[in-house]
Amino acid sequence: AQSVAQPEDQVNVAEGNPLTVKCTYSVSGNPYLFWYVQYPNRGLQFLLKYITGDNLVKGSYGFEAEFNKSQTSFHLKKPSALVSDSALYFCAVSLSGGYNKLIFGAGTRLAVHP
Amino acid sequence: DAGITQSPRHKVTETGTPVTLRCHQTENHRYMYWYRQDPGHGLRLIHYSYGVKDTDKGEVSDGYSVSRSKTEDFLLTLESATSSQTSVYFCAISESDRSQETQYFGPGTRLLVL
Repeated sequence: AQSVAQPEDQVNVAEGNPLTVKCTYSVSGNPYLFWYVQYPNRGLQFLLKYITGDNLVKGSYGFEAEFNKSQTSFHLKKPSALVSDSALYFCAVSLSGGYNKLIFGAGTRLAVHP
Repeated sequence: DAGITQSPRHKVTETGTPVTLRCHQTENHRYMYWYRQDPGHGLRLIHYSYGVKDTDKGEVSDGYSVSRSKTEDFLLTLESATSSQTSVYFCAISESDRSQETQYFGPGTRLLVL
């Protein structure tokens, strides 16, 4: 069965420092991987996705993510965190060749401190 | 929020009462989804639709029904609400059912069942 793990419930980082939000996945085929962000009382906003090709994917708001097939990971990164990046982040996976069925991780809350 | 509205945005109801949540899109996308968001679980798929009058069950469909009589509207009904259905409900849309297609989310409905 497909699954996504976000091992950290919360990540704390100082403004201006680099941030990483971790995601690992377990699927039986080739994965498509997504990151979404949720600000308070808002819906999920799409940040970026990995389909194929370059393992480093660039997305919205200066975020990027690196696909690592051998470690089955898709960590979200940003070189310099902003206080406004504080939000709930979700990693999701769907399976190539299947229908558009997203399996979500439990979410990681990012807190960026001034 | 990608041309997606949900109504109501907040609702308090009592156990045993029927509840209908509405999702309306202006993107003319064929595929629509209902998810629920609960702490520690991320988002889980309840039902989805691949066209007018075409729907199917997701991961957590027990206690829920859906209907889609028009492309733009996707209704989620709790026939007899229970406290375990207290959650935040999100509607999503996508242009195709290819597994690499991005899903876009509405603002959510917060439901409290007393």
